Amino acid sequence: KQEVTQIPAALSVPEGENLVLNCSFTDSAIYNLQWFRQDPGKGLTSLLLIQSSQREQTSGRLNASLDKSSGRSTLYIAASQPGDSATYLCAVRPTNFGNEKLTFGTGTRLTIIP
Amino acid sequence: EPEVTQTPSHQVTQMGQEVILRCVPISNHLYFYWYRQILGQKVEFLVSFYNNEISEKSEIFDDQFSVERPDGSNFTLKIRSTKLEDSAMYFCASSDYGAGTDTQYFGPGTRLTVL
Repeated sequence: KQEVTQIPAALSVPEGENLVLNCSFTDSAIYNLQWFRQDPGKGLTSLLLIQSSQREQTSGRLNASLDKSSGRSTLYIAASQPGDSATYLCAVRPTNFGNEKLTFGTGTRLTIIP
Repeated sequence: EPEVTQTPSHQVTQMGQEVILRCVPISNHLYFYWYRQILGQKVEFLVSFYNNEISEKSEIFDDQFSVERPDGSNFTLKIRSTKLEDSAMYFCASSDYGAGTDTQYFGPGTRLTVL
């Protein structure tokens, strides 16, 4: 059974710093990995999706990397801003054909201090 | 930009009552999902739906749950007899793998409170 873990559970950094969020998964047989942002009481906003054949994806100040063999992904946020404060979730999709369910991690609650 | 919408945003019901949560997926998407998140816990998969039938369901999705696509735009989740432990945020999602993207797009959620 796939287990997804995110460390740290919470992180506070001053505005302007670069930071890294970690995601690990126990079963490396994944089809893709998706990073989401969740604001308090709100839905999930998709940030980046990395296919299993890819090593990284970039969108603006965000860069996500994937090391499938070691079961790890990182989300790098450059020049952090107070608006980046949110909970960040990673989720993996298995490789089985017809199986699209996402298994989510525990999340990292990020606070950017102005 | 197209988005997934859900109604209502908050539903309060008495234990044992039936509830229907509604979702309008992105219009050209073909794959639909329901997830839930109990307060303070992980987001959990409930069910996936494609071509008018369930393609996969989790252990949570027992006989009390059902899904339906009653028309060309809506996707619903019905809980027949709600329990206290059904209190959670329910998220609908959709995707279109045929377009070469596997991204699942989530709606804002419906907060279900069972009293």
